[in-house]
Amino acid sequence: GENVEQHPSTLSVQEGDSAVIKCTYSDSASNYFPWYKQELGKRPQLIIDIRSNVGEKKDQRIAVTLNKTAKHFSLHITETQPEDSAVYFCAAKGGSYIPTFGRGTSLIVHP
Amino acid sequence: DAGVIQSPRHEVTEMGQEVTLRCKPISGHNSLFWYRQTMMRGLELLIYFNNNVPIDDSGMPEDRFSAKMPNASFSTLKIQPSEPRDSAVYFCASSPMGVVDEQFFGPGTRLTVL
Repeated sequence: GENVEQHPSTLSVQEGDSAVIKCTYSDSASNYFPWYKQELGKRPQLIIDIRSNVGEKKDQRIAVTLNKTAKHFSLHITETQPEDSAVYFCAAKGGSYIPTFGRGTSLIVHP
Repeated sequence: DAGVIQSPRHEVTEMGQEVTLRCKPISGHNSLFWYRQTMMRGLELLIYFNNNVPIDDSGMPEDRFSAKMPNASFSTLKIQPSEPRDSAVYFCASSPMGVVDEQFFGPGTRLTVL
């Protein structure tokens, strides 16, 4: 089955800095890679996703890049703000219809 | 649409008691997932239903856990008997699989077993 590794587990940055979270996956058949944000005490919510036929996708301050050859994808947040503080989960999904989640990254943005 | 609905939001029970968690998926979604979230293990998939049929229950930890989906608008996750190590936040998520890949999570049920 699919195995998703996510790093780092904790990331602390100053407001205005950039943050990068990286994930690797094992199943070359995976073709959908979502990122979810979970604020403290809240539910995970999709913030951005990318499909295997695209190398990069941007939405305002967030972007995701995908390297299919190396089987890794990354979340980039620029100009971080305190409200970006949350746990971020990556996931990979292939033909099984069941996404496999990474362990999560706790992002702390210091004002 | 109100989104995925879960009840109760919080449950405190004593070891050995039966616990039933409930989920109403978004209308029209044909896939439903139950997850368990803990600090130690992160977000674990317990079971996945497609069109009310359990497709993958390999994540169900043991026979004390059971899940049902009697119709397209309702699912239950039951733990009998409950143990302190079952304490976690349980999320239900639904998805209109085949059309959109996004999973829509419910607010979760925080279970504490004393």
